[in-house]
Amino acid sequence: DTGVSQNPRHKITKRGQNVTFRCDPISEHNRLYWYRQTLGQGPEFLTYFQNEAQLEKSRLLSDRFSAERPKGSFSTLEIQRTEQGDSAMYLCASSLVRQGENIQYFGAGTRLSVL
Amino acid sequence: QKEVEQNSGPLSVPEGAIASLNCTYSDRGSQSFFWYRQYSGKSPELIMSIYSNGDKEDGRFTAQLNKASQYVSLLIRDSQPSDSATYLCAVTRRSGGSNYKLTFGKGTLLTVNP
Repeated sequence: DTGVSQNPRHKITKRGQNVTFRCDPISEHNRLYWYRQTLGQGPEFLTYFQNEAQLEKSRLLSDRFSAERPKGSFSTLEIQRTEQGDSAMYLCASSLVRQGENIQYFGAGTRLSVL
Repeated sequence: QKEVEQNSGPLSVPEGAIASLNCTYSDRGSQSFFWYRQYSGKSPELIMSIYSNGDKEDGRFTAQLNKASQYVSLLIRDSQPSDSATYLCAVTRRSGGSNYKLTFGKGTLLTVNP
């Protein structure tokens, strides 16, 4: 499978617990993005990496959220002390800028339910 | 004013008809424009990208961009029931360095009736 891979696909947790999601981008892509999507809304940007450097974080990304991309390969998104409002689909995308074009390809997402 | 606006729908068309989906954006610095299709419970899938004014055709899909009016549309010809999905309009703009984050609209739900 050469697409963007996300694990787990579903996560159910209790409020206050920590959760971690993983994203494996398309292998030659140097840019990686995290988005969050709630029901009836379009995806909202959370953060973005170019190689291993985290270049932008949205104001949506509170201090309970942390993302890493060690060695510029896979990425993890951790949410500490989860709240019910964190329930959403977390989408990862990757891209390779080529001739000025930047097409982002999305993974299947991780659906988080906080009880 | 929201950055990217779409009619949420639902838009219902009969099979074989033309479906017309519209999107407006507020930032004149927007440079790249995308239409993604999202089936219920699935991830967004790129349908079309467009970067300059005018029309761009790919099979049954035509994207239209008018930067002066800050308007982008997607036409789907010969609509099929399998086209039933939410269509997301997304734009990117530069801010500071080479930032290409996507800003999405809420999406328009399209239903194609057999």
